[in-house]
Formats: sequence, C-alpha cells, structure tokens
Amino acid sequence: SQTIHQWPATLVQPVGSPLSLECTVEGTSNPNLYWYRQAAGRGLQLLFYSVGIGQISSEVPQNLSASRPQDRQFILSSKKLLLSDSGFYLCAWSPRTSGTNTGELFFGEGSRLTVL
Amino acid sequence: GNSVTQMEGPVTLSEEAFLTINCTYTATGYPSLFWYVQYPGEGLQLLLKATKADDKGSNKGFEATYRKETTSFHLEKGSVQVSDSAVYFCALNQVNDYKLSFGAGTTVTVRA
Repeated sequence: SQTIHQWPATLVQPVGSPLSLECTVEGTSNPNLYWYRQAAGRGLQLLFYSVGIGQISSEVPQNLSASRPQDRQFILSSKKLLLSDSGFYLCAWSPRTSGTNTGELFFGEGSRLTVL
Repeated sequence: GNSVTQMEGPVTLSEEAFLTINCTYTATGYPSLFWYVQYPGEGLQLLLKATKADDKGSNKGFEATYRKETTSFHLEKGSVQVSDSAVYFCALNQVNDYKLSFGAGTTVTVRA
C-alpha cells in the first residue's frame, strides 16, 4: 500500500532563518506531488506541484521554493523565513493516470511551522 | 477559472443533530467534486466524491449529490457524533488538470 511521510511535524524558527520540509511517498511510482499551505483560520493554498523529477510549477509568488530530486521525494525550502510563512504545510500525492489527475489527493500528516 | 464556495463556519451542533454544509462551484465543463475532512492536528483525507451529474457520494453516514443545475455539492449527515468534529473542505477537479481547487473549509464542532 502507498504511504506518505513528511517531516518535521513541528518547527519553530526565527525570522530570517532557512527552512527545509521534506516529503516522501512509498509504494507508488511517478506520482504527482503537491505542497499546500493552510494558514490559521483560512483554507488551503496550493504552493507548488510537480509531475516529474525536476519539474516544479509554482502557483503563487513567494520566498519559498520546491525541489524534486527523486521521483518520490518533494522538498519545500526557504532561504530566509518571514513571519507570514507561519502555517500548516501539507504534502500530498496523486496517482498519474494516462496524463490526467484522477482527482483524489492523499495527504501527509502536515508540518506546523511557527516563525517568531 | 475554477472556484469553490462553502458556507462559513464555525458550525456547532449537538450530538444526533442534522448537519448540512453548503458548497457551490464555478467551473467549465464537468468537474469531479469532492469532500475532504481534516480531524484536529491531522492532514486531510477524502470523505466522498462524485464524478458526474446526479452521482451521489457517500461514506461514514455522510452524503452529497452532484447537482449540475444548481452547481452544488452539499454535504449532509442525518445524525452527527462527537467524533465528526473536524474541518470539512469541498473541492473540485477538472479532467486533465493536475490541481484540486479547495473551498475555505468549514469547522464543525459536535457537543455531547
């Protein structure tokens, strides 16, 4: 069966420090991968998605970046965190089926980032 | 573009009450529609889905019917339990689109 892991689960960082959140998927190949952010009291915002190694699409301009160094690994990074980067970050994957997304996303447990 | 509008919360209910969360959407063509649930401190998980007009998705006592004429996908449960306390998200996806569009989420609290 497929599983998705993301870490760390909780992170407290000072403003201006770097960030690295990691996500890995097991039990499937060639998944679509996603990073979402959920700010307090707000909905889900898609930050990045990837349909293959080295292929990253950014949905919103910001000081975050994403990378996909391996097929089932997705990393969210920042060189200098801002207070507004605080939130709950969710990694997700979906199966690649004939070039279309079946619609169902499978989410990790989330990483709570607090920037002070 | 695609968009999803959910009723704003928070919603507070007593156990065994009837729950309805309204969801309407804007999209071209025939999107697939979803309800996701997020329990406290956890990620999201799929609750139910419908892929064409008049389909009814159901799971764990929850139901939602894809209504193309009203562009709606309202979530209902006849008798809620304390364990149903969570945030509920409506979402849609277009064929050949890699991304889901989510509503803002509705927080539901069920009191014993």
